[in-house]
Amino acid sequence: EDKVVQSPLSLVVHEGDTVTLNCSYEVTNFRSLLWYKQEKKAPTFLFMLTSSGIEKKSGRLSSILDKKELFSILNITATQTGDSAIYLCAGRGGTSYGKLTFGQGTILTVHP
Amino acid sequence: DGGITQSPKYLFRKEGQNVTLSCEQNLNHDAMYWYRQDPGQGLRLIYYSQIVNDFQKGDIAEGYSVSREKKESFPLTVTSAQKNPTAFYLCASSMGGASTDTQYFGPGTRLTVL
Repeated sequence: EDKVVQSPLSLVVHEGDTVTLNCSYEVTNFRSLLWYKQEKKAPTFLFMLTSSGIEKKSGRLSSILDKKELFSILNITATQTGDSAIYLCAGRGGTSYGKLTFGQGTILTVHP
Repeated sequence: DGGITQSPKYLFRKEGQNVTLSCEQNLNHDAMYWYRQDPGQGLRLIYYSQIVNDFQKGDIAEGYSVSREKKESFPLTVTSAQKNPTAFYLCASSMGGASTDTQYFGPGTRLTVL
């Protein structure tokens, strides 16, 4: 059975701090790993990673995948209160419809 | 505006009742999905559909049913057989098929059983 585990489950920081969120996965016929941000309702797509060692970057957010060690990290630098959200990681296996297996999520709270 | 809509936002159900959650998309996506989100458990797949008139069970399909009569619509019925239906329900859609496929989510429906 496919499994995705995120850590920490929750994190409280102050504005300006840098945070690292972790995601480890065991996914049969792994194809890609996705990160989403969920503020109150719909998760919004952040990154998709398919190749090991290649960093994806968008503003203050960046993510990298290690296919040998089966994990990914999401970094957020100079955090702002608007970064407060649940961050979800999902692994995609090799089934025909590309099922996503989600981790439990990391709840990030950024205080002013 | 292109996107995914879900209705209602909030739904209250008495025990023993069936309720239907609506999901509509105008993204011209072939694939649609239903997830359930409980605190501390992430998202779990209930049902998915890759094409009109076809759907498959996900990991937690018991007590739920779906239909896919139109490409744009994928309603979910929570039946009285679902033992613990109180949860946040998310619908998603995607182009389908490729290993680089990205799922996009609707705003969700929060279901509470009274």
